[in-house]
Amino acid sequence: SQQGEEDPQALSIQEGENATMNCSYKTSINNLQWYRQNSGRGLVHLILIRSNEREKHSGRLRVTLDTSKKSSSLLITASRAADTASYFCATVVLNDYKLSFGAGTTVTVRA
Amino acid sequence: NAGVTQTPKFRVLKTGQSMTLLCAQDMNHEYMYWYRQDPGMGLRLIHYSVGEGTTAKGEVPDGYNVSRLKKQNFLLGLESAAPSQTSVYFCASSQDRETDTQYFGPGTRLTVL
Repeated sequence: SQQGEEDPQALSIQEGENATMNCSYKTSINNLQWYRQNSGRGLVHLILIRSNEREKHSGRLRVTLDTSKKSSSLLITASRAADTASYFCATVVLNDYKLSFGAGTTVTVRA
Repeated sequence: NAGVTQTPKFRVLKTGQSMTLLCAQDMNHEYMYWYRQDPGMGLRLIHYSVGEGTTAKGEVPDGYNVSRLKKQNFLLGLESAAPSQTSVYFCASSQDRETDTQYFGPGTRLTVL
């Protein structure tokens, strides 16, 4: 069974706008990661946030984690056409050390 | 430095045929994984390995076998392919067990008729 669930399933925005997607999970985690998948390609690691962290930044990416609500959000600021992709959250459950992926959010950035 | 490579990229099988997917990594990573990706379901873990000579079952292991005879290679076998195994297969590797940040190959698109 999948540990994480992303919301929304799909998102369409104009270039330059911000994109926000959310991830909810079920059990206590060691860390939560976000990956990007361009059409027809493998997944690429974007950012990792540990269970004792609340916010993390990497370039135009901002990730938040609320362990009390078992949820995370990924914000992409000033989106570009190249950001068009599917985004997956993945959790590492405590003492399990394997990634469990959600079904993903498909983001389309319109020029 | 090629990272993670997968062979073949595409394959069409008939029901009952067998095949082996090859994954190779040149990063000297200890841990390797095989996933399948189906529409709307994200990635599901088939089998994984925590080091040369070791394998373990993941979430959906039935119908698949794996071997890790060399540290850099992880093979996924289908002994008798079924249409339900039509999917995109991804291999990944990682070095840090605690964070488990994974590096993915480009995928193999398998169709079973």
